[in-house]
Amino acid sequence: KAGVTQTPRYLIKTRGQQVTLSCSPISGHRSVSWYQQTPGQGLQFLFEYFSETQRNKGNFPGRFSGRQFSNSRSEMNVSTLELGDSALYLCASSSQLAGGDTQYFGPGTRLTVL
Amino acid sequence: EDQVTQSPEALRLQEGESSSLNCSYTVSGLRGLFWYRQDPGKGPEFLFTLYSAGEEKEKERLKATLTKKESFLHITAPKPEDSATYLCAVCSGTASKLTFGTGTRLQVTL
Repeated sequence: KAGVTQTPRYLIKTRGQQVTLSCSPISGHRSVSWYQQTPGQGLQFLFEYFSETQRNKGNFPGRFSGRQFSNSRSEMNVSTLELGDSALYLCASSSQLAGGDTQYFGPGTRLTVL
Repeated sequence: EDQVTQSPEALRLQEGESSSLNCSYTVSGLRGLFWYRQDPGKGPEFLFTLYSAGEEKEKERLKATLTKKESFLHITAPKPEDSATYLCAVCSGTASKLTFGTGTRLQVTL
């Protein structure tokens, strides 16, 4: 099976702009979670989507949003970018019929905000 | 709130020198404990899932164990290619989110 794919792999944006990141999960997986990884805060949970519905949300401002399509592909959007949004954004997929299922990560999108 | 603490922060081993990484956790209702390996600039690579105290899993030179308060990742006779950051994460209750520790940076030298 193909793994989790994320596009683009690298992005450079300026403050105030918005950005959309895309994630394609492993075939058959219906849950997609997004995480932000920074040197200072480590890996932090953003949100999770299951069957096109947001099922869980982390402690991030409303500038961070996401959605999931009927084919389980997911996008996350960050509006009004700030310097502190520079990070590696990781997507993970799982069957996640119940909590505790293994999540498999994609390669990430490296976002740099100038 | 779930908490995960990993130690040591960094570990330098010589090739063949076995050691253990620690992951201490505090959760209400553990649904799973996960070990991942992450190379610089890449996404975490899944290693093991443990569900209940007493469970053990092995893969090549790695062995993960779980108690009610902590998990260990034992590395036997490591090789330079085992150099990476090892991340521990927990999932609890009805939530599906993972709470991660800050990781252990392992360097294995010749």
